[in-house]
Amino acid sequence: KQEVTQIPAALSVPEGENLVLNCSFTDSAIYNLQWFRQDPGKGLTSLLLIQSSQREQTSGRLNASLDKSSGRSTLYIAASQPGDSATYLCAVKGGNNRKLIWGLGTSLAVNP
Amino acid sequence: DTGVSQNPRHKITKRGQNVTFRCDPISEHNRLYWYRQTLGQGPEFLTYFQNEAQLEKSRLLSDRFSAERPKGSFSTLEIQRTEQGDSAMYLCASSPRERTDTQYFGPGTRLTVL
Repeated sequence: KQEVTQIPAALSVPEGENLVLNCSFTDSAIYNLQWFRQDPGKGLTSLLLIQSSQREQTSGRLNASLDKSSGRSTLYIAASQPGDSATYLCAVKGGNNRKLIWGLGTSLAVNP
Repeated sequence: DTGVSQNPRHKITKRGQNVTFRCDPISEHNRLYWYRQTLGQGPEFLTYFQNEAQLEKSRLLSDRFSAERPKGSFSTLEIQRTEQGDSAMYLCASSPRERTDTQYFGPGTRLTVL
């Protein structure tokens, strides 16, 4: 059974810092991995999607890497801004390409 | 671009009542998913449709829960005899036929059972 873990659970940093969020998964037979952002009381916004054959994806100040063999992904946020404050969720799609298995998220606060 | 819409956005009900939520996916998206998210947790998969066919149901979906997608477009999720433990955010997502690896999420329906 696939399990997804995110570390840390919460993070508070001053504006401008570069930071790394971690996601690990127990079953390496994945179809893809996605990073999502969730603002309080709101739905989910997809940030980056990495296919199982890929090593990383970049979008603006965000870079996500995937090491399938070790069951790990990292989300790197460069030059953090207060507007980045949100919960960041990692989700893995299994080999059957159907449902997503989610981590509990990392709650990020970027302080001005 | 209308995105995925969900109605109502908030629902407060008394224990024992039935509630129904609606999800309208992005037009022509053939896959539709329902998830449940409780406070401080990640979303949990409930069920998944491809067109009008319900292809997978989680064990979380007890016999009090039923989902339909009668015409392969909008979907409804009904909870009968609600319990306080049903209080959560119910999220709907859809995927297009040509990009089933990407799910687009709606804003969710927040259910509070008193």
